[in-house]
Amino acid sequence: GESVGLHLPTLSVQEGDNSIINCAYSNSASDYFIWYKQESGKGPQFIIDIRSNMDKRQGQRVTVLLNKTVKHLSLQIAATQPGDSAVYFCAENFNNQGGKLIFGQGTELSVKP
Amino acid sequence: DGGITQSPKYLFRKEGQNVTLSCEQNLNHDAMYWYRQDPGQGLRLIYYSQIVNDFQKGDIAEGYSVSREKKESFPLTVTSAQKNPTAFYLCASSTTDTRSYEQYFGPGTRLTVT
Repeated sequence: GESVGLHLPTLSVQEGDNSIINCAYSNSASDYFIWYKQESGKGPQFIIDIRSNMDKRQGQRVTVLLNKTVKHLSLQIAATQPGDSAVYFCAENFNNQGGKLIFGQGTELSVKP
Repeated sequence: DGGITQSPKYLFRKEGQNVTLSCEQNLNHDAMYWYRQDPGQGLRLIYYSQIVNDFQKGDIAEGYSVSREKKESFPLTVTSAQKNPTAFYLCASSTTDTRSYEQYFGPGTRLTVT
């Protein structure tokens, strides 16, 4: 039968600390990865993306790291703020899927003031 | 302002009724997508369209139908054949430029069927 009431992985951090959110992706042929932030009851918002020919990419207060050897992606948020509280999704694209993105389950980030 | 809109934000229907969710974009994007999101889960692809008058099934298309008569619009019909239609539905759009696969999301429609 269906699973009911799945619980997202949760990360709880203190305001001002750095956060690291991890994601294991599924396909070694994936060549594009993206992180989204989703606040409760809203649509996902783009945070940062990275192509497979890079290991690291930085944005404003965010860094994405890609480890293709172990198919692992991470999102680092510096000086985490209460407004960063949300669910964070990683997604991957591999070439034979056109523009389709495959989304992970998500991680809920909770920032304590 | 350019963007993607979904209406209504909340929708209530009785079991056995079909219902159509609206999605409009003025970003001049060729591709559009419909996702379903259940509590505590990620996004699952229902249907997608990369060009007008063409669309493909996603991973969970059963019980749903779509049309793409205009570039700007990609309505989703949840039919009575969908066994568990209560969910949060998200529409997205993107370019078909392979330099970026970023999808832009609408605010979502929460459908409750009783």
